[in-house]
Amino acid sequence: GQQVMQIPQYQHVQEGEDFTTYCNSSTTLSNIQWYKQRPGGHPVFLIQLVKSGEVKKQKRLTFQFGEAKKNSSLHITATQTTDVGTYFCAGGTGNTPLVFGKGTRLSVIA
Amino acid sequence: DGGITQSPKYLFRKEGQNVTLSCEQNLNHDAMYWYRQDPGQGLRLIYYSQIVNDFQKGDIAEGYSVSREKKESFPLTVTSAQKNPTAFYLCASARQGRSPLHFGNGTRLTVT
Repeated sequence: GQQVMQIPQYQHVQEGEDFTTYCNSSTTLSNIQWYKQRPGGHPVFLIQLVKSGEVKKQKRLTFQFGEAKKNSSLHITATQTTDVGTYFCAGGTGNTPLVFGKGTRLSVIA
Repeated sequence: DGGITQSPKYLFRKEGQNVTLSCEQNLNHDAMYWYRQDPGQGLRLIYYSQIVNDFQKGDIAEGYSVSREKKESFPLTVTSAQKNPTAFYLCASARQGRSPLHFGNGTRLTVT
């Protein structure tokens, strides 16, 4: 079945450093979604990408969808302590439910 | 305020007992989902429903059961057949299959 791999599993950064998490699918995706889960909380939707090569920005966050629609990345510029949490990608194909990556847990050291 | 409500937040049960987790949404969403989250495992799909009176097994359905008698409600029963039931359970809803998921606050189940 479809698999979504996400790396790294953990990332510790100094406040102000950049951060990137990568997501790779075993199959071509119709869309990819990104979620953030704060410690002790629930996942919250960040963004959805549907087009090949698409790039979207939300303030310091930049999301990319690969040309082949099999990989994606989330880049945070100049991390802040409010960025702490686990970031999940989730890939969709057709009408089947999203398949989640295992997430990247980000720690930010002030 | 529209949202998705899970109750209770914490649940403790003895081994061998069935337990039902509640999930209610007032977002008028067609699709509802149950996920299980274990440390380092991400979110794994237990069951999902895209329409009332119909539901499908996810990747880890063994030991669980669901019903979808009303659009707003999608309760999950953790049966005594589930070998490792202690986990964080998340319910989610979506307008339709490809739409973004809205998650509830989760229920942390501990079985001893």
